[in-house]
Amino acid sequence: EAGVTQFPSHSVIEKGQTVTLRCDPISGHDNLYWYRRVMGKEIKFLLHFVKESKQDESGMPNNRFLAERTGGTYSTLKVQPAELEDSGVYFCASSQGLANNEQFFGPGTRLTVL
Amino acid sequence: GQSLEQPSEVTAVEGAIVQINCTYQTSGFYGLSWYQQHDGGAPTFLSYNALDGLEETGRFSSFLSRSDSYGYLLLQELQMKDSASYFCAVRRDSNYQLIWGAGTKLIIKP
Repeated sequence: EAGVTQFPSHSVIEKGQTVTLRCDPISGHDNLYWYRRVMGKEIKFLLHFVKESKQDESGMPNNRFLAERTGGTYSTLKVQPAELEDSGVYFCASSQGLANNEQFFGPGTRLTVL
Repeated sequence: GQSLEQPSEVTAVEGAIVQINCTYQTSGFYGLSWYQQHDGGAPTFLSYNALDGLEETGRFSSFLSRSDSYGYLLLQELQMKDSASYFCAVRRDSNYQLIWGAGTKLIIKP
């Protein structure tokens, strides 16, 4: 069974540019999450999709971030325009919504904004 | 606010036992999860405690005390491959959102 995949693995952009991150969850997982880890700090929740609907987007930092999950399969996270403080590793995770809350993570996208 | 506290770094010897503590302060609580992350890799699920007590899975065990807002991860018979960062994370409510600690880097010496 294929795991969660993310693309690209690394992205280096200049302040003010736009970047789109993609996440392909495990097939059949209705729940999809985006997280971000700024270097040395805790992993922070950004948002949670159930199928194509946004269940919880309370962690989205501001309106420069836009997440979509059309058709309830893969998801994209767009940052426009990017700022220096957006640098970090963006993780995507998916789950079946079992009682043990096990979430399967992708390898992350390392975003550097110069 | 929401906060989870765990040590930033723990050092242990190969073959020994180590305990990584986690205390939490959150507006709600459904359960405590533990994840392992090797350098540059994806976090991987280790355990989930919703009720008080000890859960054992092989060399790893996880404990929860809801009254103390405290849990720990116990790793036995340490192996060099256990060198990694370990995160505790709280599920606050019926949603599956996780609130994370900053992670504990476990350094294992031969």
